Amino acid sequence: IAGITQAPTSQILAAGRRMTLRCTQDMRHNAMYWYRQDLGLGLRLIHYSNTAGTTGKGEVPDGYSVSRANTDDFPLTLASAVPSQTSVYFCASSAQPGGNTIYFGEGSWLTVV
Amino acid sequence: GENVEQHPSTLSVQEGDSAVIKCTYSDSASNYFPWYKQELGKGPQLIIDIRSNVGEKKDQRIAVTLNKTAKHFSLHITETQPEDSAVYFCAATASGGSYIPTFGRGTSLIVHP
Repeated sequence: IAGITQAPTSQILAAGRRMTLRCTQDMRHNAMYWYRQDLGLGLRLIHYSNTAGTTGKGEVPDGYSVSRANTDDFPLTLASAVPSQTSVYFCASSAQPGGNTIYFGEGSWLTVV
Repeated sequence: GENVEQHPSTLSVQEGDSAVIKCTYSDSASNYFPWYKQELGKGPQLIIDIRSNVGEKKDQRIAVTLNKTAKHFSLHITETQPEDSAVYFCAATASGGSYIPTFGRGTSLIVHP
């Protein structure tokens, strides 16, 4: 079982470009999340989805959008990348929203120059 | 919303010593408190969790304690080994779709051989 697959693993992106980070899970989990991790700031929630067809904003949603067309996929899009979006991005999922174990992908390292 | 404070941000110990990481939370509705370990270049993985109906849980060398009255919980690692070196995150959440897991900022644990 693969769990959560993120792509790309790493990317260098020119400022102003559009970028989509892909995330697929094979656990049939209802809830999915996108976090960014920056030194000293821990894991900050960008967007989440409690079930297919619904999404919600997290702590730092500006400049990002998500969609949840089906249970397995939860892509994160940067419409016009800026250097402050340089970060490590983690996709995660849990069987149900709230009090359940969260499973993380291996991360996507994004550098915006 | 929930606010989770984690201390210390860095912890350096000698192999064989014990390590303690502490977290406080603000929302009295939170009832699920997981701990995650993140090794270099990887995504966080659950190592132990506790629910509000118990005060302590142990799994070999690691244990978690919870004080609901004071709204704090702690991770205890005994007989530390170099492979325990990692970043540890605490989190707090509650069951239900309106609750999003909130993470502490992480503790970088270094175990010196």
